[in-house]
Amino acid sequence: NAGVTQTPKFRILKIGQSMTLQCAQDMNHNYMYWYRQDPGMGLKLIYYSVGAGITDKGEVPNGYNVSRSTTEDFPLRLELAAPSQTSVYFCASSYTSGGVTDTQYFGPGTRLTVL
Amino acid sequence: AQSVAQPEDQVNVAEGNPLTVKCTYSVSGNPYLFWYVQYPNRGLQFLLKYITGDNLVKGSYGFEAEFNKSQTSFHLKKPSALVSDSALYFCAVRDPTSGTYKYIFGTGTRLKVLA
Repeated sequence: NAGVTQTPKFRILKIGQSMTLQCAQDMNHNYMYWYRQDPGMGLKLIYYSVGAGITDKGEVPNGYNVSRSTTEDFPLRLELAAPSQTSVYFCASSYTSGGVTDTQYFGPGTRLTVL
Repeated sequence: AQSVAQPEDQVNVAEGNPLTVKCTYSVSGNPYLFWYVQYPNRGLQFLLKYITGDNLVKGSYGFEAEFNKSQTSFHLKKPSALVSDSALYFCAVRDPTSGTYKYIFGTGTRLKVLA
């Protein structure tokens, strides 16, 4: 299993540009998450999904959109990039059954700079 | 509202000495608690978790953590530190009674093991 994969690894955007961060998992996990990691701030949850077709906002959803058309994929869309979105973005997945959530598995991250 | 605190930004310990990385939490119900480790330019890796049962949890790489309900703490420990343990450590909490599947992460503690 590849686990959780993310592309690209690095990206530089100009203010106002858009892009999609890709995330895929091959563990048949039902839950998927997007976090951003700012220096000294820990991880903040952007969006999460409990299954295909179902998404919900986390702590910091503004400026982002997600979709979950398949179990495997959970892309994160940035519209009109702003310098405040400069961060490292992590995708994670987990399996939840009967209300008990298993461990989250993280991808390697995407380092995004907005200039 | 659920929250987690890691009161130390950095912990320095000599190789071979015991180490402790502190974590305290606040949730309304019984918490699910997790420790993750992050090496430079990598995603987070799972170390251990407490869901229920024995308060002393053993995890990967010789780490363990003790759940203390009265002190609302979940400190990470290792009897003998290795230089290779130097990394960024995150505590996370989820409140299973909250009706959401959101995890809250601490701000991280940088562990430096000195040879």
